[in-house]
Amino acid sequence: GENVEQHPSTLSVQEGDSAVIKCTYSDSASNYFPWYKQELGKGPQLIIDIRSNVGEKKDQRIAVTLNKTAKHFSLHITETQPEDSAVYFCAASVYSGTYKYIFGTGTRLKVLA
Amino acid sequence: SQTIHQWPATLVQPVGSPLSLECTVEGTSNPNLYWYRQAAGRGLQLLFYSVGIGQISSEVPQNLSASRPQDRQFILSSKKLLLSDSGFYLCAWSALQATGGIGNTIYFGEGSWLTVV
Repeated sequence: GENVEQHPSTLSVQEGDSAVIKCTYSDSASNYFPWYKQELGKGPQLIIDIRSNVGEKKDQRIAVTLNKTAKHFSLHITETQPEDSAVYFCAASVYSGTYKYIFGTGTRLKVLA
Repeated sequence: SQTIHQWPATLVQPVGSPLSLECTVEGTSNPNLYWYRQAAGRGLQLLFYSVGIGQISSEVPQNLSASRPQDRQFILSSKKLLLSDSGFYLCAWSALQATGGIGNTIYFGEGSWLTVV
């Protein structure tokens, strides 16, 4: 079945450094790839997304890259801050009559002050 | 603007008791609706999704069920809870009609913590 693998499961960086989280998807027909940030006890919040017709998207300190050939996409956070500490999830769309979304297992990011 | 609400926020239920979690979306029509479960420290598992009233697709066989009695209402139920049903349940929505054939953004509610004891 459809699958999204996410690495690493935990990531610790010093404040000001960059953080990179990588995901690989299995369905070559996937065409939409959102990233979510989840704080403790809350629902995931969309932080950035990318569609299959572009290879890179940037929003201030956050960027996402997509390699359709290799079926992987990555989240890049630059100049990390303590408030970036959270769990991050990647997802890929899967179409079966309508769109559903398969999520990675999450990355717990800790930004050390 | 669109908003999504789910309740209750937390509940503790004994094994064998029934469950009803409710979710409503405001500010949009004909949304796709989803129920996900997140076990402690784990990823998001898709349980059910719906493209319209009375149309439910199940992703994982289990003792849970879902219903969509109204366009913007999605309910997750169980007749008899198991210990393994404990977790964080998330309702989500996306626009039904994909633009340009590409998937749409999915938005989550604040979640419901279920502890089965």
